[in-house]
Amino acid sequence: DAKTTQPTSMDCAEGRAANLPCNHSTISGNEYVYWYRQIHSQGPQYIIHGLKNNETNEMASLIITEDRKSSTLILPHATLRDTAVYYCIVRAPEGAGNMLTFGGGTRLMVKP
Amino acid sequence: ETGVTQSPTHLIKTRGQQVTLRCSSQSGHNTVSWYQQALGQGPQFIFQYYREEENGRGNFPPRFSGLQFPNYSSELNVNALELDDSALYLCATRRDRENIQYFGAGTRLSVL
Repeated sequence: DAKTTQPTSMDCAEGRAANLPCNHSTISGNEYVYWYRQIHSQGPQYIIHGLKNNETNEMASLIITEDRKSSTLILPHATLRDTAVYYCIVRAPEGAGNMLTFGGGTRLMVKP
Repeated sequence: ETGVTQSPTHLIKTRGQQVTLRCSSQSGHNTVSWYQQALGQGPQFIFQYYREEENGRGNFPPRFSGLQFPNYSSELNVNALELDDSALYLCATRRDRENIQYFGAGTRLSVL
């Protein structure tokens, strides 16, 4: 699986959009971009994933660049409960070797 | 709510002992993966089971073993516990042909 690079930490004001970047310059054509987050002492929570088109769901939006070498997770109106570690993961479609390879993630702190 | 339940939530063992951690998931979640998360790090893949057979393993020694049962529950067994085994152990499950893994809240194991 391709490696990803994320900033170690970010701050965001409550109510503002949080934009979390991820670089994955060695991504392969069949690899998806996944985002999970982990609130302190809980299990990782799935947020969103995509292949090459931008995606949006009730939690967030995922913007993938045209060359697919980077992406941005957008939380449109961050709340204090969005404070968590956010992991960007690149992985091939399901098959043998189902694992998710977690890096260090970005620690997002939402401040009042 | 992911429908993935892990037990116990916390556990304290001493070095050299054996431990069994349990995970139950929703009907139809045929794939289960186990991860170890040391303090301050991202989760690390231990192994995966599909239809009761191991079909993927990370860089963990044989004293980490598992079982998956027909009722969509599974176990992680660790023999000869070492101090470095102290971590949060996470279970993740998914349905066939679905690209999303759902995590439980984890079991926090402390080895003294």
